Amino acid sequence: ELQLVESGGGLVQPGESLRLSCAASGFSFSIYSMSWVRQAPGKGLEWVSYITTGGSAKYYADFVKGRFTISRDNAKNSLYLQMNSLRADDTAVYYCARVGGLYDFNSWGQGTLVTVSS
Amino acid sequence: EIVLTQSPGTLSLSPGERAILSCRASQSVSRTHLAWYQQKPGQAPRLLIYGASSRAAGIPDRFSGSGSGPDFTLTISRLEPEDFAVYYCQQYDSSRLFTFGPGTRVDIK
Repeated sequence: ELQLVESGGGLVQPGESLRLSCAASGFSFSIYSMSWVRQAPGKGLEWVSYITTGGSAKYYADFVKGRFTISRDNAKNSLYLQMNSLRADDTAVYYCARVGGLYDFNSWGQGTLVTVSS
Repeated sequence: EIVLTQSPGTLSLSPGERAILSCRASQSVSRTHLAWYQQKPGQAPRLLIYGASSRAAGIPDRFSGSGSGPDFTLTISRLEPEDFAVYYCQQYDSSRLFTFGPGTRVDIK
């Protein structure tokens, strides 16, 4: 069974860092591009970052450029999001998602909540 | 940056009725890169439609997608109780950006 399981969320203060992880199972992780998508409380979906299969290409939404870094370890079937200089408006549930061939998000994890507050 | 607008914001319908949801892009979008998602409270989104009109695995045939840039439509032919949820459209463009629409909530009337 295909599974994406996020972890690493929690409560941090503004300016602090957090590293999210996403453990993939049930499919060939290394042949799929992956993304992070977030959802602030009561709000809509917002794409955060994308990484290609081998990790050679990475793209970011403007609001996280220079602060967040996406990475992956295909040997560990894992996706990561290093989040630095966190702000209150980064508060959201962060989902990892598998990217399909037509740039759709065809599988999602259950999400991990990041709360940035003093 | 392409902006997606969804209408209406909320659709109040009864089970058995047809739902027609609209997604309009601020500029032409490749229909190949247009998708629709369903999200229920407390759950992750679920892919319904990709490539504007192809149903994802396990999606009932009462869900259908149509359209071409910039106007796309998600139709639910006969609403079932489990279909009351929020629906998002999403596109990918050549600037390597993914964009979601603000969502349409389908409520029970």
